[in-house]
Amino acid sequence: NAGVTQTPKFQVLKTGQSMTLQCAQDMNHEYMSWYRQDPGMGLRLIHYSVGAGITDQGEVPNGYNVSRSTTEDFPLRLLSAAPSQTSVYFCASSLQVIDPYEQYFGPGTRLTVT
Amino acid sequence: AQSVTQLGSHVSVSEGALVLLRCNYSSSVPPYLFWYVQYPNQGLQLLLKYTSAATLVKGINGFEAEFKKSETSFHLTKPSAHMSDAAEYFCAVSASKAAGNKLTFGGGTRVLVKP
Repeated sequence: NAGVTQTPKFQVLKTGQSMTLQCAQDMNHEYMSWYRQDPGMGLRLIHYSVGAGITDQGEVPNGYNVSRSTTEDFPLRLLSAAPSQTSVYFCASSLQVIDPYEQYFGPGTRLTVT
Repeated sequence: AQSVTQLGSHVSVSEGALVLLRCNYSSSVPPYLFWYVQYPNQGLQLLLKYTSAATLVKGINGFEAEFKKSETSFHLTKPSAHMSDAAEYFCAVSASKAAGNKLTFGGGTRVLVKP
């Protein structure tokens, strides 16, 4: 199993540009989520999905969209990039929706918005 | 809203010395608690979790943590630090079983191990 994969690893955007961060998992996990990591703030939940076709907002959803058309994929879209979205983005997946099952994290995407 | 506080953004320990990382949480209900480790340029990896069973939880790589409800704490320890323990450590909480996978993270503590 490849686990959780993310592409790209690095990305530089100009303010106002849009892009999609890709996330895929091959473990047949129901639950997938996106976090952003900023220095001193830990990880903050952006959006999450409890299964194909179902998504919901996390703590910091503004400026981001998600969709979940398949169990495997959970892309994160930046609609109009802003410097405040400069961060490291992590995708995570977990076997079940409820119960505190272990979450598996991808290697991250480092995004810089100029 | 729940919150997690990790005391000390950086900790320096000598190889062979005790590692103690502090985590305090606020939660209105009995929580589920986690410690994750992040090695440089990698994603997070679960060290251990507390799910209302034994209050002393043993994890991977010789780490353990003790849940103390009266102190709302879940401190992480390792008796003897190894150079490979140099990483950033995150404490996280989930408010309930139903919210199991929605985690609130602390700010992280970066551990430096000196030879």
